[in-house]
Amino acid sequence: QKEVEQDPGPLSVPEGAIVSLNCTYSNSAFQYFMWYRQYSRKGPELLMYTYSSGNKEDGRFTAQVDKSSKYISLFIRDSQPSDSATYLCAMRGGSEKLVFGKGTKLTVNP
Amino acid sequence: GAVVSQHPSWVICKSGTSVKIECRSLDFQATTMFWYRQFPKQSLMLMATSNEGSKATYEQGVEKDKFLINHASLTLSTLTVTSAHPEDSSFYICSAREAGWAQYFGPGTRLLVL
Repeated sequence: QKEVEQDPGPLSVPEGAIVSLNCTYSNSAFQYFMWYRQYSRKGPELLMYTYSSGNKEDGRFTAQVDKSSKYISLFIRDSQPSDSATYLCAMRGGSEKLVFGKGTKLTVNP
Repeated sequence: GAVVSQHPSWVICKSGTSVKIECRSLDFQATTMFWYRQFPKQSLMLMATSNEGSKATYEQGVEKDKFLINHASLTLSTLTVTSAHPEDSSFYICSAREAGWAQYFGPGTRLLVL
């Protein structure tokens, strides 16, 4: 079993839709959870980060962590064509090393 | 804030030459910097972790003599691909961590070895 599983998609939605992106993980030592957005041929951009369980909201983005289920989510409300990108979940425990999901490619159609 | 730059953004070189890539944290001091490579449609693969003033820690399977990392200051790390070959062609991305725990990524360097 891989440490982090993420559905690669691709995911295609109409503009204005609510998007749900998810990752599951197996390592119970993970405490720090991040979502990155990566446009084609660019470096990843940090969108959200949370520590331990709970929700965090920033504008149209909401990150949720459920440590009991080893499941994290990113919700995008009122999705825009500019949100079209690959979304990577990442997490870590006590070490510096980030473990990434494979990324989900999202396309928001106007 | 938390801006990381990389230079060059892309480079084409002949097989057998060495290529140096710079990674800079522009508005913060990075105690730790990381180097990744990414193949098309793949996720990021960590190559090494470097702390300012000390030797880099390489991931298993990464040749330290081929990928030389220098972290000379709190704002600059360099990756030198020595005697590059076509199989080294990839997208190289650095990231930097400030006092907190989040990593901020540079824009990446695309390397093509002919």
